[in-house]
Amino acid sequence: DVKVTQSSRYLVKRTGEKVFLECVQDMDHENMFWYRQDPGLGLRLIYFSYDVKMKEKGDIPEGYSVSREKKERFSLILESASTNQTSMYLCASSPPAGHYNEQFFGPGTRLTVL
Amino acid sequence: EDKVVQSPLSLVVHEGDTVTLNCSYEVTNFRSLLWYKQEKKAPTFLFMLTSSGIEKKSGRLSSILDKKELFSILNITATQTGDSAVYLCAVPTGTASKLTFGTGTRLQVTL
Repeated sequence: DVKVTQSSRYLVKRTGEKVFLECVQDMDHENMFWYRQDPGLGLRLIYFSYDVKMKEKGDIPEGYSVSREKKERFSLILESASTNQTSMYLCASSPPAGHYNEQFFGPGTRLTVL
Repeated sequence: EDKVVQSPLSLVVHEGDTVTLNCSYEVTNFRSLLWYKQEKKAPTFLFMLTSSGIEKKSGRLSSILDKKELFSILNITATQTGDSAVYLCAVPTGTASKLTFGTGTRLQVTL
């Protein structure tokens, strides 16, 4: 079974703190993704990576950065957390393009920024 | 701009009812459409549709794609309380690995 794990299920941080969200997948997938999910807005893509050290901006990258130093691990970084970044963050992974498009999701991290 | 729209946004039904969830899309270079179910946590994959008119079925769930009218429906027959979830529709857009999601339909099945 494909497994995508995220470092925390719940996280509470203060405004201005630097926040790291970690995601690990065990299926040797090339592609990894970070989404945020908000009521009424669905899943919105923040960043994705199609290879180690490669990254591309998604639809809402502002205020976020990412790091992919190893194939299995994709980190989302909030350099200076703000209250409008309170959200559910979902990580996903998938095989390379041209295989199939199914993405496998982690359980999510619910981040609250106070 | 690529767009995926789901309707209704939310739905409350009684156990045993049949429901139909809708997903319409406007994307360049359509390849496939995916349905996911999300309960408390991670979305789980239901179906991938690539061809018009061919129904995909899994138990009480079924889905079909209409590439001419640019939509898909997800049917759930004889609903159960365990079907309560958010149902997400997604379409690959841009680079081949990206998915654009609709806002989801929240289904609540009551006794």
